[in-house]
Amino acid sequence: AQRVTQPEKLLSVFKGAPVELKCNYSYSGSPELFWYVQYSRQRLQLLLRHISRESIKGFTADLNKGETSFHLKKPFAQEEDSAMYYCAFYQAGTALIFGKGTTLSVSS
Amino acid sequence: DAGVTQSPTHLIKTRGQHVTLRCSPISGHKSVSWYQQVLGQGPQFIFQYYEKEERGRGNFPDRFSARQFPNYSSELNVNALLLGDSALYLCASSPTTGGAGGYTFGSGTRLTVV
Repeated sequence: AQRVTQPEKLLSVFKGAPVELKCNYSYSGSPELFWYVQYSRQRLQLLLRHISRESIKGFTADLNKGETSFHLKKPFAQEEDSAMYYCAFYQAGTALIFGKGTTLSVSS
Repeated sequence: DAGVTQSPTHLIKTRGQHVTLRCSPISGHKSVSWYQQVLGQGPQFIFQYYEKEERGRGNFPDRFSARQFPNYSSELNVNALLLGDSALYLCASSPTTGGAGGYTFGSGTRLTVV
């Protein structure tokens, strides 16, 4: 079955430390992958997508087809990065398939 | 631009009742998709509509139905409510059905079934 796996439910880091949120996917075709973020009491919002290869708020993600991964990285975490992060991919006929999410907690 | 708007924001229903949730997409977006988010889980796909036609359906029972209107707004209907239907229901709009356009989410409707 097509699915997205985010193995960590919670990731706690100190301010200024590097962050890597893991995402692995199972999909037979060429995936369109996304990272969404949900800050406390706010709506789900798009952070970045692999096709644009952009960097948003210092976050980047590289698609590794060999490892079927799309890990989200940031070299220096900030307290305002604390949020729930969801990895998702687009599949025709089912719109977005989400992982279960990882809570990132950044403390000073 | 008002973004994606959903109504109501919260509601409480009794088991066995029916509920209708509403969504207005971003102006110019022709596709609407619905998701159910249970506490502690990622959103699960329910339906996608494009140009008033159903383009995808998730693994949900027939008690769940939806439609899209000529102005591209959408309704999600759930019949014979169960306690397990309690969740946050999210609507997302996109320019087309593909992923490249990105999906913009509303704030959701919090449904509680008692």
